[in-house]
Amino acid sequence: EVQLVESGGGLVQPGGSLRLSCAASGFTFSTYWMHWVRQAPGKGLVWVSHIHSDGSSTNYADSVKGRFTISRDNAKNTLYLQMNSLRAEDTAVYYCANLPYAWGRGTLVTVSS
Amino acid sequence: EIVMTQSPATLSVSPGERATLSCRASQSVSSNLAWYQQKPGQAPRLLIYGASTRATGIPARFSGSGSGTEFTLTISSLQSEDFAVYYCQQYNDWPPEITFGQGTRLEIK
Repeated sequence: EVQLVESGGGLVQPGGSLRLSCAASGFTFSTYWMHWVRQAPGKGLVWVSHIHSDGSSTNYADSVKGRFTISRDNAKNTLYLQMNSLRAEDTAVYYCANLPYAWGRGTLVTVSS
Repeated sequence: EIVMTQSPATLSVSPGERATLSCRASQSVSSNLAWYQQKPGQAPRLLIYGASTRATGIPARFSGSGSGTEFTLTISSLQSEDFAVYYCQQYNDWPPEITFGQGTRLEIK
């Protein structure tokens, strides 16, 4: 069974940092592009970033470019999202996904003073 | 950036009736289109990928059609558990970005 389990969310002050992790199992993690998608409270789904299967290529939504960094450790079957210079508008549930096939349950990030 | 536009924003349908949801792309995405269902407090659930292929375990009352810029999700006979928000997503503009539609809320009439 495919499983994606996010962790690392929480409450952080504006300007702060947070690192999200996503543990993958049940599929050959090292052969898939992986993604982060977020959803602000009461809003729709927004793609944030993705990374090539071997980590050689990454891309970001304009809203997070220069502040967020996606990475992966294929030996540990784990995806990461380093989030710096956080803003109130980054408040959302962050989902790890093997699009379009599998999604994690999400982890909530709240940016507030 | 490819913009995905879903219509209508809200659709009111009675149980047992047919629901038709639309998704339009600002440029061709071939058949690289997925549909998701999302219920409150839950992650999105894949229904359709490749514009028309049902995901594993998805009931036959869900069907997808279209290619290029116009896509449709049809639910042939609505069950109570089908009332939710539905999103389309393109994955054709690859690798730069992936985009979602803004969602259609399917509510009980």
